[in-house]
Amino acid sequence: DTAVSQTPKYLVTQMGNDKSIKCEQNLGHDTMYWYKQDSKKFLKIMFSYNNKELIINETVPNRFSPKSPDKAHLNLHINSLELGDSAVYFCASSQAEWWGTIYFGEGSWLTVV
Amino acid sequence: GENVEQHPSTLSVQEGDSAVIKCTYSDSASNYFPWYKQELGKRPQLIIDIRSNVGEKKDQRIAVTLNKTAKHFSLHITETQPEDSAVYFCAASITGNQFYFGTGTSLTVIP
Repeated sequence: DTAVSQTPKYLVTQMGNDKSIKCEQNLGHDTMYWYKQDSKKFLKIMFSYNNKELIINETVPNRFSPKSPDKAHLNLHINSLELGDSAVYFCASSQAEWWGTIYFGEGSWLTVV
Repeated sequence: GENVEQHPSTLSVQEGDSAVIKCTYSDSASNYFPWYKQELGKRPQLIIDIRSNVGEKKDQRIAVTLNKTAKHFSLHITETQPEDSAVYFCAASITGNQFYFGTGTSLTVIP
């Protein structure tokens, strides 16, 4: 069983389109995240949700909108895609206890052409 | 938020040598410091972690040290092997629900 699963794994789309990436975790964690990894391999946090509530919203264009229907799911919707949005997007989850570590999904490779 | 700096950005070592990667953090409230290994095309995966009440932890060829006063922590890999080649990330966490990552170190082990 995959602990953190995200779909799609690969996504090629044209500039200006709107796309969504879905994420689900079956670990029973109460915190979920979206990270963006660019071509330089930097892992930059975008959003963090704890029990469906937004707790971290880093400086991200408002074209990016996360949605958490329940604590096991955190989806990412991107409007009006731009070339600079091309990256790998990782969903992750953790348990908000001081000893909790973070587990990543397999990543979604987004290419905007 | 927390700021985590990681050095070096690239590191090449001969097989069998040791590799050391260093990180510093800014927020003294950070209390959990995991290290992740990311192989090409794969997800980052936890390899070792250390909590703020411990100064050192070892797991076979991998060890991590933490200096809370200086706010820095390091990853040590001994007897490196080609399969250790990957990108390594340090991270600092407060309460287990805020994780901030370093900029990564690309390690190459030369056979």
